[in-house]
Amino acid sequence: GQNIDQPTEMTATEGAIVQINCTYQTSGFNGLFWYQQHAGEAPTFLSYNVLDGLEEKGRFSSFLSRSKGYSYLLLKELQMKDSASYLCGRSNDYKLSFGAGTTVTVRA
Amino acid sequence: DGGITQSPKYLFRKEGQNVTLSCEQNLNHDAMYWYRQDPGQGLRLIYYSQIVNDFQKGDIAEGYSVSREKKESFPLTVTSAQKNPTAFYLCASWGESYNEQFFGPGTRLTVL
Repeated sequence: GQNIDQPTEMTATEGAIVQINCTYQTSGFNGLFWYQQHAGEAPTFLSYNVLDGLEEKGRFSSFLSRSKGYSYLLLKELQMKDSASYLCGRSNDYKLSFGAGTTVTVRA
Repeated sequence: DGGITQSPKYLFRKEGQNVTLSCEQNLNHDAMYWYRQDPGQGLRLIYYSQIVNDFQKGDIAEGYSVSREKKESFPLTVTSAQKNPTAFYLCASWGESYNEQFFGPGTRLTVL
């Protein structure tokens, strides 16, 4: 694998903010992906970061630091439908490797 | 509508039988991928193909085989040599810009 580490589980309240961290091996790195996956379904694309910095897309934002091998996905104004697994993926040489995923549970 | 189709959604087979999972895309993508997902785990790469008539092993290729005779199709065969074949199998494709990998709906294979 590509030593991609992310927390296993996170729980937050509806309307709150949650930050999912991801660290990865920096050698041969091209870009960092985040996907959302509901149970029993295929992953759906959330974001792709190549350059350092924060990219905002509605309620979801993704940050990348290439030198530190670090990324995070920020989920704002949490809704019940955001309860899902969030996969951090690292690309290199036309391959995409994923971490084990972070299960986010949103409580009312 | 463009996309990736996988069929069937659920597949049951007896132990010792080979089984082929289909994957078709009409996105005109050159690169196609097969992943396996086990409960509570991320996606692990089985095989990938960047162009017709060429493919490479991923991280867990043992017990699997693929072919890429057409750009649109990338079938995966789970052979009897695969020791734990029961899993969720996902096919994906990547366009030229490699900035988004598209996934099919997946096939859940259960070996009895």
